[in-house]
Amino acid sequence: GAGVSQTPSNKVTEKGKYVELRCDPISGHTALYWYRQSLGQGPEFLIYFQGTGAADDSGLPNDRFFAVRPEGSVSTLKIQRTERGDSAVYLCASSLGGQGPSYEQYFGPGTRLTVT
Amino acid sequence: DQQVKQNSPSLSVQEGRISILNCDYTNSMFDYFLWYKKYPAEGPTFLISISSIKDKNEDGRFTVFLNKSAKHLSLHIVPSQPGDSAVYFCAASWGAGTALIFGKGTTLSVSS
Repeated sequence: GAGVSQTPSNKVTEKGKYVELRCDPISGHTALYWYRQSLGQGPEFLIYFQGTGAADDSGLPNDRFFAVRPEGSVSTLKIQRTERGDSAVYLCASSLGGQGPSYEQYFGPGTRLTVT
Repeated sequence: DQQVKQNSPSLSVQEGRISILNCDYTNSMFDYFLWYKKYPAEGPTFLISISSIKDKNEDGRFTVFLNKSAKHLSLHIVPSQPGDSAVYFCAASWGAGTALIFGKGTTLSVSS
């Protein structure tokens, strides 16, 4: 079956611009996560959705970052007034949730964001 | 302050030999541990996991050992194959459905 997909695969933007990154989770997975990976680091948690609601957004670095999942499937990570320090690979993951939440998370290929 | 640490940035092993990747953690509330493998330009791929109530889990060539008293886990790959060359991340969780906390990764190189 299809895995987690993310678009675009690469995004180059100028400092101060707004960007949107999209994630399509595995069909049937109710939990969705966003992580950010900088060079030489492991993925760092940003936000977690269970269904349509953000169950934990404690990893969002500041109020320039926002994510939505309006219908409980596709999610969009939105970054306003981008800064060079936002440059990283943004990873999306999904897992079984609902009645049987799972520890195992399955990742997409990521979106490489470069802010010039 | 890193809660999950992989202190060896890299490891080189010959094909057919054992690869041992190590991971230490500081938070005793973690109740589940996972290993992911990552190839360049791809997302991390789930490899194997272990619950804190166990001390060993095996899946084919991959075995994970957990030593709770030492807050240490290790991944053994036997026999190692060139296709195993990748970055390996250790991750920990304190509840199903919660965020994973990752180490910085260890780059494994298996030579033929």
